Amino acid sequence: DAGVIQSPRHEVTEMGQEVTLRCKPISGHNSLFWYRQTMMRGLELLIYFNNNVPIDDSGMPEDRFSAKMPNASFSTLKIQPSEPRDSAVYFCASSRDVQSLQPQHFGDGTRLSIL
Amino acid sequence: AQKVTQAQTEISVVEKEDVTLDCVYETRDTTYYLFWYKQPPSGELVFLIRRNSFDEQNEISGRYSWNFQKSTSSFNFTITASQVVDSAVYFCALTPEGAQKLVFGQGTRLTINP
Repeated sequence: DAGVIQSPRHEVTEMGQEVTLRCKPISGHNSLFWYRQTMMRGLELLIYFNNNVPIDDSGMPEDRFSAKMPNASFSTLKIQPSEPRDSAVYFCASSRDVQSLQPQHFGDGTRLSIL
Repeated sequence: AQKVTQAQTEISVVEKEDVTLDCVYETRDTTYYLFWYKQPPSGELVFLIRRNSFDEQNEISGRYSWNFQKSTSSFNFTITASQVVDSAVYFCALTPEGAQKLVFGQGTRLTINP
């Protein structure tokens, strides 16, 4: 079975540019999560969706960050404008059923560098 | 609020030694779930185990075992006869029932030397 697919794997861009990260969850999973990993703050949940609806976005750092899930098989995390402090590894994860607390399965991550 | 503490930042052992990774958590919820994830050098996060707060039975899976003690709020992970391929960062995580917000510890970097 295909796992969670993230693209791109690596992104290097200059500050001020718009960055779009993409995620395809595992088929049949109805919950999707975006995490950010940095040395200073570790792994942090940014936002999660259930059945394509954002449930909790309290972890989104500021208005420059936005996330969408237009359908069950695709989500984006957008940063506009990007800043050097946004440099991190961004993970997408999905799980089957939020009520039964099925484990979250993670993608390989997108390593983002803002110059 | 939930909190997970992995006090061991880095551990280095020689192959075939047993090693235990500590995890201590804080929560006011009566029902919650605990997890361990592995992050190898390639960077992906791999799910290892989930345990709910009502199940204090220890679990063994091959060379891996987990010791859940509610009385001490700990969920420790032991690797028996460690191998070089076990080298990774290991994360303990917590989430309350009904919520999908995984709260991660800071991770323990485990290095197994040949």
